[in-house]
Amino acid sequence: DAKTTQPPSMDCAEGRAANLPCNHSTISGNEYVYWYRQIHSQGPQYIIHGLKNNETNEMASLIITEDRKSSTLILPHATLRDTAVYYCIVEDRGATNKLIFGTGTLLAVQP
Amino acid sequence: ETGVTQTPRHLVMGMTNKKSLKCEQHLGHNAMYWYKQSAKKPLELMFVYNFKEQTENNSVPSRFSPECPNSSHLFLHLHTLQPEDSALYLCASSQVELAGAEQFFGPGTRLTVL
Repeated sequence: DAKTTQPPSMDCAEGRAANLPCNHSTISGNEYVYWYRQIHSQGPQYIIHGLKNNETNEMASLIITEDRKSSTLILPHATLRDTAVYYCIVEDRGATNKLIFGTGTLLAVQP
Repeated sequence: ETGVTQTPRHLVMGMTNKKSLKCEQHLGHNAMYWYKQSAKKPLELMFVYNFKEQTENNSVPSRFSPECPNSSHLFLHLHTLQPEDSALYLCASSQVELAGAEQFFGPGTRLTVL
């Protein structure tokens, strides 16, 4: 079973920041937080991951709370092409290379 | 070719047919994966191969038979499937040694079992 809880859907206006929340209250010290997204009928795409510190790359920023029980993925300027299902995944990658996907959040970017 | 490729992209088969799905990765990775995505369900991990050895079989029925002849190729052999096996089958690869290594996914094979 997935170890995360995400809202089933969210809307965002084009050009605005999209903030996608994820709860992972049972996360353990060795577990990373990963974000992937899946555009309709395509394979999932890696976005970003983090352990404790906030992370930023060319696609997004990941904000992890100090207690690590929740995180937020931020797409700073959402475009229509960002419409997808976003998955938050928690796994101990030192122990396993499995990813267990949940149901994710369907982000709909509106024009 | 770059990334992870899958063939065929679409497949229609009868319940008595035998077919195979092929996955090839051009990234120099040493781990490969099969996932199944049924309509309106989360991705389900089916098999994991690390260094060509199967390390995970997620209670997959024996009518699905994986094969990993080398670290770049992964097959999923199908026989006597059921209509409920209709789904998107996704292949992925990664580098095992890198903690936090991302998985790269192929575009998938859309399978319909009649």
